[in-house]
Amino acid sequence: SQKIEQNSEALNIQEGKTATLTCNYTNYSPAYLQWYRQDPGRGPVFLLLIRENEKEKRKERLKVTFDTTLKQSLFHITASQPADSATYLCVLNSGGYQKVTFGTGTKLQVIP
Amino acid sequence: DVKVTQSSRYLVKRTGEKVFLECVQDMDHENMFWYRQDPGLGLRLIYFSYDVKMKEKGDIPEGYSVSREKKERFSLILESASTNQTSMYLCASRGSIAYEQYFGPGTRLTVT
Repeated sequence: SQKIEQNSEALNIQEGKTATLTCNYTNYSPAYLQWYRQDPGRGPVFLLLIRENEKEKRKERLKVTFDTTLKQSLFHITASQPADSATYLCVLNSGGYQKVTFGTGTKLQVIP
Repeated sequence: DVKVTQSSRYLVKRTGEKVFLECVQDMDHENMFWYRQDPGLGLRLIYFSYDVKMKEKGDIPEGYSVSREKKERFSLILESASTNQTSMYLCASRGSIAYEQYFGPGTRLTVT
């Protein structure tokens, strides 16, 4: 069956360091992958999209990689700040253009 | 900025009641979605709509129905609320050629 795995344990990191979050998937062949941020009690907010033919995408302090051979995406936040503390969701398209499937997310805590 | 609003942030209903959750978007998006989010399960798609009066079942449609009479408005209906429908409900919209979804703030529904 199709599965998206994100580290369910919280990731604690010191301010200023690079945070790296992992998304692994099985039995998918996604054409694209997205990352969202979700704060407690709020809806997710779109951050980045990477297509299957792209290896890496950057936006300010964010970087996403996509390895379709390993079936893995890595999400990096450089020079992390306490304001980056949130849950980060990995999202794959799972049925044509319309349907996507969300991972359960990894909670990031940046410690001052 | 895209704005997606939901009719209530918090709602408490009794078992057997009919419940209406409303979602409105202001960006003329063709696609609208209803998800529920539960701890450890992530976001799961209930229904989506790609045009006025058009709807498609998501992964967990049982016990729910939807209505889209106007492009900007997508309603989720619980015909007879049950305790296992206690959850956070999130509405989202997306443009016709884009991939990213824009989420509302969510409605936390408690069924007692």
